[in-house]
Amino acid sequence: GAVVSQHPSRVICKSGTSVKIECRSLDFQATTMFWYRQFPKQSLMLMATSNEGSKATYEQGVEKDKFLINHASLTLSTLTVTSAHPEDSSFYICSASAVFGNQPQHFGDGTRLSIL
Amino acid sequence: SQQGEEDPQALSIQEGENATMNCSYKTSINNLQWYRQNSGRGLVHLILIRSNEREKHSGRLRVTLDTSKKSSSLLITASRAADTASYFCATDASGNTPLVFGKGTRLSVIA
Repeated sequence: GAVVSQHPSRVICKSGTSVKIECRSLDFQATTMFWYRQFPKQSLMLMATSNEGSKATYEQGVEKDKFLINHASLTLSTLTVTSAHPEDSSFYICSASAVFGNQPQHFGDGTRLSIL
Repeated sequence: SQQGEEDPQALSIQEGENATMNCSYKTSINNLQWYRQNSGRGLVHLILIRSNEREKHSGRLRVTLDTSKKSSSLLITASRAADTASYFCATDASGNTPLVFGKGTRLSVIA
């Protein structure tokens, strides 16, 4: 079945560091990928929609200059948390869908980001 | 904003029992999907049910959809300890749109 790989799985770094998270669709092309954020014991909240070859669409309240998204190819989207602070600590998950419409989205295993 | 609401928020059962989780949503949907998440891991897709479908089965899983009530249920039969996880429903409005997740049900199956 469709596989989405997310890397790294865990990041621990100092405040002020920028962190890049990669999301790859391994055996299919994804024109659209999605980035979610999840706090402990809570549900997933959509942050942004990543479109190949165009600018990402951000949800209300998500700072685009803070969370930079690049979708340079049909199999790779990256999320960069710039100048991360402790309040950015969270679980970040990406998803991708292989075919437009009526297909399940497949999720990466997530990245646990801890900012000290 | 959150669209789906699952209930119960937490469910604890004995191994071998059936587990039923419910999900309600607010607006029209294209598909409704159920996902499972083990602690600290990503989401595993379980079942997708289309808006024109009423019931779907996959192994020990049974999903129903009632669009008139804007609700869905996930039934896990003959539960196992390995079924312990959080279960989320998610809806999409149309096409390749982002999923809107419910708050999830934390299922604990006690051996």
